[in-house]
Amino acid sequence: KQEVTQIPAALSVPEGENLVLNCSFTDSAIYNLQWFRQDPGKGLTSLLLIQSSQREQTSGRLNASLDKSSGRSTLYIAASQPGDSATYLCAADSGTYKYIFGTGTRLKVLA
Amino acid sequence: GAGVSQSPSNKVTEKGKDVELRCDPISGHTALYWYRQSLGQGLEFLIYFQGNSAPDKSGLPSDRFSAERTGGSVSTLTIQRTQQEDSAVYLCASSRDRREQYFGPGTRLTVT
Repeated sequence: KQEVTQIPAALSVPEGENLVLNCSFTDSAIYNLQWFRQDPGKGLTSLLLIQSSQREQTSGRLNASLDKSSGRSTLYIAASQPGDSATYLCAADSGTYKYIFGTGTRLKVLA
Repeated sequence: GAGVSQSPSNKVTEKGKDVELRCDPISGHTALYWYRQSLGQGLEFLIYFQGNSAPDKSGLPSDRFSAERTGGSVSTLTIQRTQQEDSAVYLCASSRDRREQYFGPGTRLTVT
């Protein structure tokens, strides 16, 4: 059974810092891993999708990596901004169409 | 283009009543998913549809929950005889095959 863990649960950083959010999964036989952000009271916004054959994906200041052998994915945010403040969620699809979500990292970027 | 839409955005109902939640996926997306997010909790998978079929209903919490999808498009999640523990935000997502999931804004259900 796939389990997804995100550490830390909360993070507060000054504006301009580069930061890394971690996502661990127990079943390395994943098909996709997707990163989302969720703003308070809102739905989820897709950030990056990494397929099992890929090792990383980039979009603007965001870079997500995937290491299936170690059961880890990381989301790197460069030059953080107050607008990046949100909860970041990772979700793993183990090939069943059923995404298992982590409980998220709540990020606050201080101006 | 239009994203995933859900209605109603908010629903307050009395314990024991039935409720229907609606999801309109992005046009052309064959897969549709329902999740539940309770206060302070992570997202809980409920059910997914491929076309009009639901191969995996394992996440439905009880037999009071049911869902259907018609015409490969709109989906309805029905909760019968609502209980207070059903209070949550119900999120719908759609995707083209196994690609990125796009989420709707959610329906906040409050059972009094």
